[in-house]
Amino acid sequence: SQELEQSPQSLIVQEGKNLTINCTSSKTLYGLYWYKQKYGEGLIFLMMLQKGGEEKSHEKITAKLDEKKQQSSLHITASQPSHAGIYLCGAIGETSGSRLTFGEGTQLTVNP
Amino acid sequence: DGGITQSPKYLFRKEGQNVTLSCEQNLNHDAMYWYRQDPGQGLRLIYYSQIVNDFQKGDIAEGYSVSREKKESFPLTVTSAQKNPTAFYLCASSMSGLAGLQETQYFGPGTRLLVL
Repeated sequence: SQELEQSPQSLIVQEGKNLTINCTSSKTLYGLYWYKQKYGEGLIFLMMLQKGGEEKSHEKITAKLDEKKQQSSLHITASQPSHAGIYLCGAIGETSGSRLTFGEGTQLTVNP
Repeated sequence: DGGITQSPKYLFRKEGQNVTLSCEQNLNHDAMYWYRQDPGQGLRLIYYSQIVNDFQKGDIAEGYSVSREKKESFPLTVTSAQKNPTAFYLCASSMSGLAGLQETQYFGPGTRLLVL
């Protein structure tokens, strides 16, 4: 089965700093999703990456899928307190149909 | 507004009791999913359904049951057989749930289940 490992597990940054969260898969990724979650709330969809080398941006958040399609990174530029939360990557594998496998999440704290 | 609603927000279960978590969507999606989230862990799939009157077990189905009598509703019952039910439960839906389409799953606000 596919496994996703996120790093770091937690991250504390000062407002205005840039940061990167990584998601590494044990198998080839056929669809990689990034979600954000506030504690005790549902997941908010951020971006989906499909093709090797693909990069997408939304406001100050950029996500990339590497050429070999086994790792994705999420980069936040000039972080703000509103960026705080848990970031989760989810992936579809070759034989998983529509089922998503999730990483354990990265807890981001942004200090003003 | 289109979206997914879950109720209640908090639910308390007594020993030996079955409890049912509600999930409703008005997105006209065919596929619906139930996940469990434990502290410090990612989401784990309990059950999913791609069409009315049909559903499949996920990775941790033991102690849970579901029904899909209507397209917009996918209730989850946590039975007394589930010995460690305390967790955050999330419902999601996607357009069709068909393999190979890489659809986005949209999530409800969640229900936190606690054992008394």
